[in-house]
Amino acid sequence: EVQLVESGGGLVQPGGSLRLSCAASGFIFSDHFMDWVRQAPGKGLEWLGRSRNNRDGYIIEYAASVRGRFTISRDNSKNSLYLQMNSLKTEDTAMYYCARDGDLAYWGQGTLVTVSS
Amino acid sequence: DVVLTQSPLSLPVTLGQPASISCRSGQSLLHGDGNTYLSWFHQRPGQSPRRLFYEVSKRDSGVPLRFSGSGSGTDFTLRISGVEAEDVGLYYCMQGAYWPQTFGQGTKLEIK
Repeated sequence: EVQLVESGGGLVQPGGSLRLSCAASGFIFSDHFMDWVRQAPGKGLEWLGRSRNNRDGYIIEYAASVRGRFTISRDNSKNSLYLQMNSLKTEDTAMYYCARDGDLAYWGQGTLVTVSS
Repeated sequence: DVVLTQSPLSLPVTLGQPASISCRSGQSLLHGDGNTYLSWFHQRPGQSPRRLFYEVSKRDSGVPLRFSGSGSGTDFTLRISGVEAEDVGLYYCMQGAYWPQTFGQGTKLEIK
């Protein structure tokens, strides 16, 4: 069974940093694209970026809205995906989800990030 | 970025009645590889999204048969033949034909 479990969310001050993790199980992690998507309170879904798979050399792609502030990485030995978020702004407050594959076939339960002073 | 416009944004439906959600794209979602990359997701209150369909009409495992996806080019539709209580929540379309992938604004289905 495919499982994705996010962690690392919490309350952080504007300008601060946070690192989110996504632990994957139930599939061969290195074979799959892994994406980050967020949802601000009461708002819609926003794609943030992805790590491609082994065949694509684990190329990382970012949405324009977070490029330069957020960094995606993965550790295939730990079946884990990460999202390092720097220079956080109040508008980054959201539920952050990891999802498998470019077409987001599977989603985690999300981890809540609150940016507030 | 490709804009996806969903309508309606709010959809009150009586139990057992049909429902339909439209998703219109600013550009054709027919990819050069011959596939059309339009997916539908359902998000129940307090839950993470769940994919229902990919490539317009390919049903994900466990999706009830009362749901169907159709369309081509720039116009797509998600239909529910008879709404059940568990169908409430938000429905989103998403395109993957162009980078970056983008979502529609979401349609909130509620029971009348």
